[in-house]
Amino acid sequence: DSGVTQTPKHLITATGQRVTLRCSPRSGDLSVYWYQQSLDQGLQFLIHYYNGEERAKGNILERFSAQQFPDLHSELNLSSLELGDSALYFCASSRGQGAETQYFGPGTRLLVL
Amino acid sequence: AQSVTQLGSHVSVSEGALVLLRCNYSSSVPPYLFWYVQYPNQGLQLLLKYTSAATLVKGINGFEAEFKKSETSFHLTKPSAHMSDAAEYFCAVSAYTGGFKTIFGAGTRLFVKA
Repeated sequence: DSGVTQTPKHLITATGQRVTLRCSPRSGDLSVYWYQQSLDQGLQFLIHYYNGEERAKGNILERFSAQQFPDLHSELNLSSLELGDSALYFCASSRGQGAETQYFGPGTRLLVL
Repeated sequence: AQSVTQLGSHVSVSEGALVLLRCNYSSSVPPYLFWYVQYPNQGLQLLLKYTSAATLVKGINGFEAEFKKSETSFHLTKPSAHMSDAAEYFCAVSAYTGGFKTIFGAGTRLFVKA
């Protein structure tokens, strides 16, 4: 158990819908990272927040957005969902920024029908 | 910009044999390098990381990796494979380019035969 929690574990929805994925980092960790893992794209970095501020962006679509709240939990919002958004979404946390060990949550499996 | 290439999407070894998983990286600035392991239906777990200290890095479960700047490589090895090592392994590079981004390789699935 990494100490990072993600909810829900599974999510099934339809195209065009909007969903919110939630992540609670390990106690004391200030950074939260979001990744998307799919068979065709592999593990893709989406976005990094540190203490409530966006620090780095990766291959995140405009239909996707994220935020980190004052209690340091984070939410990833996916809208206008397409079949290709079906994937495993991981959240990771670390103490600070930089070359820190990232602790991964168990992931949220999203299926868009 | 940085990138990672893992050579071989699948590697199969016999129990007790040497494990060698290959990783080459590209980075325009000094990189930090990581190996993570993912067991089925689980998140990733750090095996080891290189952060510009010793070039030979020892990790958990008997794994180690050597940073070779001249070859831009960071191969993962373990002298003797166990059945429990069967998993997917990811090499990753992180560098500061206006923010730290961690780029993962495509992964190598390790099979261990009895």
